[in-house]
Amino acid sequence: QQQVKQSPQSLIVQKGGISIINCAYENTAFDYFPWYQQFPGKGPALLIAIRPDVSEKKEGRFTISFNKSAKQFSLHIMDSQPGDSATYFCAASGYTGNQFYFGTGTSLTVIP
Amino acid sequence: KAGVTQTPRYLIKTRGQQVTLSCSPISGHRSVSWYQQTPGQGLQFLFEYFSETQRNKGNFPGRFSGRQFSNSRSEMNVSTLELGDSALYLCASSLGQAISGNTIYFGEGSWLTVV
Repeated sequence: QQQVKQSPQSLIVQKGGISIINCAYENTAFDYFPWYQQFPGKGPALLIAIRPDVSEKKEGRFTISFNKSAKQFSLHIMDSQPGDSATYFCAASGYTGNQFYFGTGTSLTVIP
Repeated sequence: KAGVTQTPRYLIKTRGQQVTLSCSPISGHRSVSWYQQTPGQGLQFLFEYFSETQRNKGNFPGRFSGRQFSNSRSEMNVSTLELGDSALYLCASSLGQAISGNTIYFGEGSWLTVV
Protein backbone atom coordinates (compact mmCIF):
# COMPACT_ATOMS: atom_id res chain seq x y z
CA GLN A 1 0.00 0.00 0.00
CA GLN A 2 1.50 3.28 -1.14
CA GLN A 3 1.41 5.68 1.81
CA VAL A 4 2.33 8.67 -0.35
CA LYS A 5 0.83 9.01 -3.81
CA GLN A 6 2.66 11.16 -6.35
CA SER A 7 1.64 12.53 -9.74
CA PRO A 8 2.34 12.93 -12.55
CA GLN A 9 4.70 10.09 -13.33
CA SER A 10 6.43 12.21 -15.95
CA LEU A 11 6.39 15.86 -16.88
CA ILE A 12 7.75 17.84 -19.82
CA VAL A 13 8.08 21.60 -19.42
CA GLN A 14 9.51 24.34 -21.58
CA LYS A 15 12.47 26.30 -20.27
CA GLY A 16 11.20 29.17 -18.18
CA GLY A 17 7.92 27.45 -17.40
CA ILE A 18 6.51 26.27 -14.09
CA SER A 19 6.78 22.62 -13.11
CA ILE A 20 4.19 21.34 -10.64
CA ILE A 21 4.32 17.96 -8.93
CA ASN A 22 1.63 16.80 -6.53
CA CYS A 23 1.56 14.40 -3.62
CA ALA A 24 -1.16 13.12 -1.32
CA TYR A 25 -1.01 11.16 1.91
CA GLU A 26 -3.46 9.46 4.26
CA ASN A 27 -1.63 9.06 7.53
CA THR A 28 -2.34 12.09 9.73
CA ALA A 29 0.60 11.14 11.93
CA PHE A 30 2.97 12.38 9.23
CA ASP A 31 4.48 15.69 10.24
CA TYR A 32 7.48 16.24 8.01
CA PHE A 33 7.35 16.42 4.23
CA PRO A 34 10.58 16.70 2.20
CA TRP A 35 11.17 16.75 -1.53
CA TYR A 36 14.19 15.06 -3.04
CA GLN A 37 15.87 15.45 -6.42
CA GLN A 38 17.69 12.54 -8.01
CA PHE A 39 19.94 12.60 -11.07
CA PRO A 40 20.82 9.39 -12.94
CA GLY A 41 23.52 7.44 -11.14
CA LYS A 42 23.26 9.55 -8.00
CA GLY A 43 21.46 9.24 -4.71
CA PRO A 44 18.51 11.52 -3.89
CA ALA A 45 19.39 14.96 -2.55
CA LEU A 46 17.18 17.06 -0.29
CA LEU A 47 15.64 20.03 -2.09
CA ILE A 48 13.22 21.54 0.37
CA ALA A 49 11.05 20.38 3.25
CA ILE A 50 7.97 21.57 5.13
CA ARG A 51 6.11 20.88 8.33
CA PRO A 52 2.29 20.97 8.45
CA ASP A 53 2.15 24.09 10.63
CA VAL A 54 2.93 26.25 7.57
CA SER A 55 1.07 26.36 4.26
CA GLU A 56 3.96 27.40 2.05
CA LYS A 57 7.74 27.43 2.03
CA LYS A 58 9.93 28.95 -0.63
CA GLU A 59 13.62 28.46 -1.30
CA GLY A 60 14.87 30.14 -4.44
CA ARG A 61 12.92 28.82 -7.42
CA PHE A 62 11.43 25.95 -5.39
CA THR A 63 8.19 26.28 -3.42
CA ILE A 64 6.24 23.74 -1.40
CA SER A 65 2.53 24.33 -0.96
CA PHE A 66 0.87 22.37 1.82
CA ASN A 67 -2.84 21.75 2.37
CA LYS A 68 -3.29 20.02 5.69
CA SER A 69 -7.07 19.58 5.45
CA ALA A 70 -6.79 17.95 2.02
CA LYS A 71 -3.67 16.01 3.02
CA GLN A 72 -1.90 17.17 -0.08
CA PHE A 73 1.33 18.95 -0.84
CA SER A 74 3.00 20.05 -4.01
CA LEU A 75 6.33 21.20 -5.39
CA HIS A 76 6.46 24.18 -7.73
CA ILE A 77 9.60 24.85 -9.72
CA MET A 78 9.54 28.36 -11.12
CA ASP A 79 11.50 29.39 -14.20
CA SER A 80 12.35 25.74 -14.91
CA GLN A 81 15.79 25.15 -16.42
CA PRO A 82 17.24 22.23 -18.40
CA GLY A 83 19.49 21.54 -15.40
CA ASP A 84 16.35 20.81 -13.37
CA SER A 85 15.74 17.71 -15.50
CA ALA A 86 15.78 14.92 -12.94
CA THR A 87 13.48 12.64 -10.97
CA TYR A 88 11.68 14.25 -8.05
CA PHE A 89 10.37 12.37 -5.04
CA CYS A 90 8.07 13.57 -2.32
CA ALA A 91 8.26 11.88 1.04
CA ALA A 92 6.64 11.89 4.46
CA SER A 93 7.70 10.98 7.95
CA GLY A 94 5.91 10.90 11.23
CA TYR A 95 7.76 8.60 13.49
CA THR A 96 10.71 8.79 15.75
CA GLY A 97 13.85 8.75 13.72
CA ASN A 98 14.28 8.97 9.98
CA GLN A 99 11.82 6.48 8.50
CA PHE A 100 10.44 8.01 5.33
CA TYR A 101 7.67 6.96 2.97
CA PHE A 102 8.44 8.04 -0.58
CA GLY A 103 6.21 8.76 -3.54
CA THR A 104 6.90 6.84 -6.73
CA GLY A 105 8.73 9.73 -8.37
CA THR A 106 8.21 12.18 -11.21
CA SER A 107 10.59 12.32 -14.14
CA LEU A 108 10.91 15.97 -15.14
CA THR A 109 12.29 16.99 -18.52
CA VAL A 110 12.85 20.67 -19.21
CA ILE A 111 13.11 21.41 -22.91
CA PRO A 112 15.49 24.25 -23.90
CA LYS B 1 34.04 16.71 3.56
CA ALA B 2 33.50 13.18 2.27
CA GLY B 3 29.95 12.12 1.51
CA VAL B 4 28.20 8.85 2.23
CA THR B 5 30.26 6.03 0.77
CA GLN B 6 28.74 2.75 -0.29
CA THR B 7 30.58 -0.37 -1.34
CA PRO B 8 30.51 -2.25 -3.58
CA ARG B 9 28.90 -0.06 -6.23
CA TYR B 10 27.92 -2.94 -8.49
CA LEU B 11 27.57 -6.63 -7.88
CA ILE B 12 25.98 -9.68 -9.42
CA LYS B 13 24.84 -12.60 -7.30
CA THR B 14 23.11 -15.88 -7.94
CA ARG B 15 19.74 -16.84 -6.50
CA GLY B 16 20.12 -18.43 -3.09
CA GLN B 17 23.39 -16.68 -2.27
CA GLN B 18 23.77 -13.99 0.33
CA VAL B 19 25.18 -10.49 0.02
CA THR B 20 26.60 -7.89 2.38
CA LEU B 21 26.59 -4.21 1.50
CA SER B 22 28.58 -1.61 3.36
CA CYS B 23 27.95 2.04 4.14
CA SER B 24 30.30 4.61 5.63
CA PRO B 25 28.31 7.65 6.79
CA ILE B 26 29.52 11.22 6.81
CA SER B 27 31.89 11.77 9.69
CA GLY B 28 29.99 12.52 12.88
CA HIS B 29 26.67 11.20 11.63
CA ARG B 30 25.10 8.64 13.93
CA SER B 31 21.90 7.89 12.04
CA VAL B 32 22.16 5.50 9.11
CA SER B 33 19.16 4.39 7.07
CA TRP B 34 18.84 1.91 4.23
CA TYR B 35 16.40 2.02 1.31
CA GLN B 36 15.67 -0.29 -1.59
CA GLN B 37 14.97 1.47 -4.89
CA THR B 38 13.31 -0.32 -7.80
CA PRO B 39 11.52 1.04 -10.89
CA GLY B 40 8.23 -0.50 -9.84
CA GLN B 41 8.17 0.20 -6.10
CA GLY B 42 10.29 3.34 -5.87
CA LEU B 43 12.18 3.92 -2.63
CA GLN B 44 11.20 1.66 0.22
CA PHE B 45 12.54 1.97 3.74
CA LEU B 46 14.44 -1.02 5.06
CA PHE B 47 15.75 0.03 8.48
CA GLU B 48 17.46 2.77 10.42
CA TYR B 49 20.23 2.55 12.97
CA PHE B 50 21.21 5.16 15.50
CA SER B 51 24.17 4.69 17.80
CA GLU B 52 24.31 0.96 17.01
CA THR B 53 20.62 0.41 17.81
CA GLN B 54 17.94 -0.33 15.26
CA ARG B 55 15.50 2.54 15.65
CA ASN B 56 13.02 1.75 12.85
CA LYS B 57 12.31 -1.21 10.61
CA GLY B 58 10.39 -1.33 7.35
CA ASN B 59 8.15 -4.04 6.03
CA PHE B 60 10.73 -6.41 4.57
CA PRO B 61 11.17 -10.13 5.25
CA GLY B 62 13.66 -11.36 7.81
CA ARG B 63 16.13 -12.18 5.03
CA PHE B 64 17.03 -8.50 5.16
CA SER B 65 19.10 -7.54 8.16
CA GLY B 66 21.51 -4.85 9.16
CA ARG B 67 23.81 -3.64 11.84
CA GLN B 68 25.77 -0.60 12.84
CA PHE B 69 29.22 -0.53 14.34
CA SER B 70 30.61 1.74 17.02
CA ASN B 71 32.19 3.98 14.36
CA SER B 72 28.70 4.40 12.79
CA ARG B 73 29.59 2.38 9.72
CA SER B 74 26.72 0.13 8.75
CA GLU B 75 26.21 -3.09 6.85
CA MET B 76 23.12 -4.69 5.48
CA ASN B 77 22.82 -8.35 4.61
CA VAL B 78 20.38 -10.14 2.38
CA SER B 79 20.31 -13.91 2.68
CA THR B 80 18.84 -16.45 0.27
CA LEU B 81 18.70 -13.96 -2.56
CA GLU B 82 15.68 -13.90 -4.86
CA LEU B 83 15.40 -12.42 -8.34
CA GLY B 84 13.12 -9.72 -6.92
CA ASP B 85 15.92 -8.47 -4.68
CA SER B 86 17.60 -6.93 -7.73
CA ALA B 87 17.62 -3.24 -6.92
CA LEU B 88 19.61 -0.18 -6.04
CA TYR B 89 20.28 -0.18 -2.31
CA LEU B 90 20.73 3.30 -0.91
CA CYS B 91 22.28 4.28 2.38
CA ALA B 92 21.56 7.64 4.00
CA SER B 93 23.12 9.33 7.00
CA SER B 94 22.36 12.31 9.19
CA LEU B 95 23.41 13.86 12.47
CA GLY B 96 19.99 13.26 13.96
CA GLN B 97 16.33 13.41 13.12
CA ALA B 98 15.33 15.19 9.92
CA ILE B 99 12.30 16.69 11.63
CA SER B 100 14.69 18.57 13.92
CA GLY B 101 16.36 20.20 10.94
CA ASN B 102 19.07 17.64 10.22
CA THR B 103 19.65 17.02 6.52
CA ILE B 104 19.68 13.44 5.34
CA TYR B 105 22.45 12.70 2.85
CA PHE B 106 22.21 9.74 0.49
CA GLY B 107 25.05 7.75 -0.97
CA GLU B 108 25.15 6.78 -4.64
CA GLY B 109 23.97 3.28 -3.85
CA SER B 110 24.95 -0.32 -4.49
CA TRP B 111 23.47 -1.87 -7.60
CA LEU B 112 22.59 -5.50 -6.91
CA THR B 113 21.63 -7.85 -9.72
CA VAL B 114 20.41 -11.32 -8.83
CA VAL B 115 20.56 -13.88 -11.63
